[in-house]
Amino acid sequence: QQQVKQSPQSLIVQKGGISIINCAYENTAFDYFPWYQQFPGKGPALLIAIRPDVSEKKEGRFTISFNKSAKQFSLHIMDSQPGDSATYFCAANYGGATNKLIFGTGTLLAVQP
Amino acid sequence: DAGITQSPRHKVTETGTPVTLRCHQTENHRYMYWYRQDPGHGLRLIHYSYGVKDTDKGEVSDGYSVSRSKTEDFLLTLESATSSQTSVYFCAIRGLGNSYEQYFGPGTRLTVT
Repeated sequence: QQQVKQSPQSLIVQKGGISIINCAYENTAFDYFPWYQQFPGKGPALLIAIRPDVSEKKEGRFTISFNKSAKQFSLHIMDSQPGDSATYFCAANYGGATNKLIFGTGTLLAVQP
Repeated sequence: DAGITQSPRHKVTETGTPVTLRCHQTENHRYMYWYRQDPGHGLRLIHYSYGVKDTDKGEVSDGYSVSRSKTEDFLLTLESATSSQTSVYFCAIRGLGNSYEQYFGPGTRLTVT
């Protein structure tokens, strides 16, 4: 199944709170899972990524949690800031070395001051 | 935007006319990709290239063709534009070496009337 299901569609978080976005997949051949951040009028920017042999990866305030058995992965944004307000996309690589990505449908995050 | 430029940035065209979008990169990346972004669909892969004259289809390739005659340029052509091809088009490049990281350009907003 070449599909990645992302939830929620939108999210409102208070400044300083934790934002959590979830993605689920079916294809166990996926071998790379990136998260992208996109501001209006801009291209998606790579935020953080993980391989399935790792259960967690942290970069600053951003953490990916990966549950291989459940075929789920999530993005956690700690101490959320108004500047984090953007659309976030999860993705998965289904093309092996050709690196073809399948994307989730996006989550619009609004961090209220 | 990882040294990627896209042209034009905005275009309005009429149904049935041919349209060519250009992606240009300056860092000798082997892999290049074209995606379209539509509300509710995230980003979807149209075509990709793994070298000069080497291209292949993505998940939504119908109605599109591509060409890559030199490393730095990847062209996307709509032979006869339709209203369903109104979208934002993004080019991406894959990082050098064995990296699976993809970096996106600024996008082209295409409106087919």
